[in-house]
Amino acid sequence: GQNIDQPTEMTATEGAIVQINCTYQTSGFNGLFWYQQHAGEAPTFLSYNVLDGLEEKGRFSSFLSRSKGYSYLLLKELQMKDSASYLCAVSGSYNTDKLIFGTGTRLQVFP
Amino acid sequence: GAGVSQSPSNKVTEKGKDVELRCDPISGHTALYWYRQRLGQGLEFLIYFQGNSAPDKSGLPSDRFSAERTGESVSTLTIQRTQQEDSAVYLCASSPEDRRFADTQYFGPGTRLTVL
Repeated sequence: GQNIDQPTEMTATEGAIVQINCTYQTSGFNGLFWYQQHAGEAPTFLSYNVLDGLEEKGRFSSFLSRSKGYSYLLLKELQMKDSASYLCAVSGSYNTDKLIFGTGTRLQVFP
Repeated sequence: GAGVSQSPSNKVTEKGKDVELRCDPISGHTALYWYRQRLGQGLEFLIYFQGNSAPDKSGLPSDRFSAERTGESVSTLTIQRTQQEDSAVYLCASSPEDRRFADTQYFGPGTRLTVL
């Protein structure tokens, strides 16, 4: 079967660092995506990992370990506007970009 | 440039009625996806179109759901005899054909469907 697990909710303080974990079990693997989704809005792309290691993009970084079926999204210097849901998704096939999504992690940033 | 657009943005219907949702992908994007997102839940894959290939319908929850796409442009998702459990936001996404740039799916704003 296909399964993506991530925590349901997290809280953090403005200026802090937060790590959102994601574990996956899929029949195939062609990359892992992180999306940000503000309440009532469509998801927006944050990062894509297909090789093991850390991808850094400004305040956001994403890590992947394919052997462990594990990824995390690291958010630094948190801002109030980072309060959103963060969706982990896996592409399980090379032939399609069909994504299997986790349920998302709702992050609340407090002042 | 123009992004993915969807219409209507909101749809309220009575149980048992049929509804049709529309998606206009980004121009030049050959791949198109439909997802469903129930309140407080993650995205659930419904169907995928890629060029002239047969669509991947593996995510459609029942035979009440169907989708069509005209060439590489507009797609419509039809739900027949709607049920209350169909209430959700229906999101459309598109991505370019070139695998080098197929790292992302660009999402539309969604259609919020409420079945009374």
